[in-house]
Amino acid sequence: AQTVTQSQPEMSVQEAETVTLSCTYDTSESDYYLFWYKQPPSRQMILVIRQEAYKQQNATENRFSVNFQKAAKSFSLKISDSQLGDAAMYFCAYRRLRNFGNEKLTFGTGTRLTIIP
Amino acid sequence: ETGVTQTPRHLVMGMTNKKSLKCEQHLGHNAMYWYKQSAKKPLELMFVYSLEERVENNSVPSRFSPECPNSSHLFLHLHTLQPEDSALYLCASSQDSRGGMNEQFFGPGTRLTVL
Repeated sequence: AQTVTQSQPEMSVQEAETVTLSCTYDTSESDYYLFWYKQPPSRQMILVIRQEAYKQQNATENRFSVNFQKAAKSFSLKISDSQLGDAAMYFCAYRRLRNFGNEKLTFGTGTRLTIIP
Repeated sequence: ETGVTQTPRHLVMGMTNKKSLKCEQHLGHNAMYWYKQSAKKPLELMFVYSLEERVENNSVPSRFSPECPNSSHLFLHLHTLQPEDSALYLCASSQDSRGGMNEQFFGPGTRLTVL
């Protein structure tokens, strides 16, 4: 079974600085997707960034980027120029590639990120 | 309304009550999901519906009963719950296609407290 581990329950960063959230996963699959979701205090979970395992290039979305190390099964999220609005719970998630959908997301336990003004 | 909506946002119920959670998606998706989010635990997938047919049921107790009358609506009927069922219940939807990433969009959740 796939598992996702986020070893940092809480992180804090000074506003405008850079922070990296770690995520490791366990799978025997070779093709899959990885996601970072953000859940602000309002509770609406939103997708931050995603990575296809077959792509070697790390995904980037504005201030958010990932360091995807497939051999190490590591998928960390880097937030540059941290802003107050980045404060949230961040969840790493894994999804196996399947020929047709409905494949479930496996989530980590989350990292609570605090931004220090 | 846009995205995925859930009602009510907060619910307090006794163990003998019967209540229902509602989810509606306005994205034209063909799959909907119920998740349970408890403190310090990973999100737990409870049910998946694809094209209004239940395709996954992750050993959820029978006191939780899902219903998907159409591709836009999903309900979670609750009866004789236990205090340990108190959690945030999240609904999600996705447009599932062959080999696609099938990103899931989440609703804001219903905070359920069972007394």
